[in-house]
Amino acid sequence: AQSVTQLGSHVSVSEGALVLLRCNYSSSVPPYLFWYVQYPNQGLQLLLKYTTGATLVKGINGFEAEFKKSETSFHLTKPSAHMSDAAEYFCAVSAPRGNTPLVFGKGTRLSVIA
Amino acid sequence: GAVVSQHPSRVICKSGTSVKIECRSLDFQATTMFWYRQFPKKSLMLMATSNEGSKATYEQGVEKDKFLINHASLTLSTLTVTSAHPEDSSFYICSARDDGIMGEQFFGPGTRLTVL
Repeated sequence: AQSVTQLGSHVSVSEGALVLLRCNYSSSVPPYLFWYVQYPNQGLQLLLKYTTGATLVKGINGFEAEFKKSETSFHLTKPSAHMSDAAEYFCAVSAPRGNTPLVFGKGTRLSVIA
Repeated sequence: GAVVSQHPSRVICKSGTSVKIECRSLDFQATTMFWYRQFPKKSLMLMATSNEGSKATYEQGVEKDKFLINHASLTLSTLTVTSAHPEDSSFYICSARDDGIMGEQFFGPGTRLTVL
């Protein structure tokens, strides 16, 4: 069984400040991990994913995340927030094989203050 | 990149009617597609797994007679909300798992259903 916990349902940062969105997972098998962004009334857009290999993953729009097995974490960061980053962010986990669906965290709403 | 479309993007219907939502993978084959439901300001809840050529697998608590799923081809899955009621109003999102890329799903843009 797999699960995802996103700490903080709402994070607010100033424009230009560091963005840190936390995600911890639980998985009985080596996980595949994902971060998605959702803008109002839109579907999900993949920011980045970890499958195997390098544990520091770079994604779109300047975001990156680091897979830390010892901490069962996959936190999302961005050095400098932009107003356009304001959105809902979802962390998700899946098993690496088989027709298994993604299991999503509850989401974190990011607000960026000018 | 891989594209998944959903149609319609928005639908308003009267209580008691049925609504069909289509999910298509435009440039890849998807043996497996997933249907999610998202309540306002909530996360995505998996409703069912749609498998081409076989019956869908529903999550606990999801009425299979109410949410009919048909995966007619490797690029099309449909979700029919039968005898819709206001409590069925929600944002429905499908995803398709690319048969050629292990582990990644591509999401459709979602369908906003409003039942009056």
